[in-house]
Amino acid sequence: ETGVTQSPTHLIKTRGQQVTLRCSSQSGHNTVSWYQQALGQGPQFIFQYYREEENGRGNFPPRFSGLQFPNYSSELNVNALELDDSALYLCASSLRVASGRGKTQYFGPGTRLLVL
Amino acid sequence: AQKITQTQPGMFVQEKEAVTLDCTYDTSDPSYGLFWYKQPSSGEMIFLIYQGSYDQQNATEGRYSLNFQKARKSANLVISASQLGDSAMYFCAMNGGAGSYQLTFGKGTKLSVIP
Repeated sequence: ETGVTQSPTHLIKTRGQQVTLRCSSQSGHNTVSWYQQALGQGPQFIFQYYREEENGRGNFPPRFSGLQFPNYSSELNVNALELDDSALYLCASSLRVASGRGKTQYFGPGTRLLVL
Repeated sequence: AQKITQTQPGMFVQEKEAVTLDCTYDTSDPSYGLFWYKQPSSGEMIFLIYQGSYDQQNATEGRYSLNFQKARKSANLVISASQLGDSAMYFCAMNGGAGSYQLTFGKGTKLSVIP
């Protein structure tokens, strides 16, 4: 069974630039969620994708956008980067089920983004 | 809105001893799930244990157990026989509500295991 993978592992960008982060979900999973984790904080939910559509969004501006592909992999795009966007970005995959432990999300290793 | 509170920024435990990490939560949803994750310095969030709001028994997974007290809205993680490899950040999280897949996390507790 293949786990969640993310690329790149590290990234350095300058303010105002755009960035794309990638995630491959765990085999058998059809839902991908993205989280932002600032230094010393818990992860914050950005959005979730199911059947290639956004299905739930946290308190993040529209410059954070995403895609999900037919193979359930996903991209997170951030436009007009700001210094506060520096964080660890985590992708998590899960299986769309009604309730219970089946809703468990499994995380990838993350992408560390530094905005200068 | 859901909220997770972890009041212990850092904890120390002697190797082979047991340790309890505290977590309290707040939600208006009648159905919800509670999760604990471990985050080593490498950054990956590792799933440890799950407790459903309607589960009658406390969850256990190997050396991990969850002390679930629904009336007090607490979901404490107990790690038995601590090992050096248990040193990491530990996060309590929850989801809830029909069709809700969003996880809400606490700020975490840094556990250090002393040889």
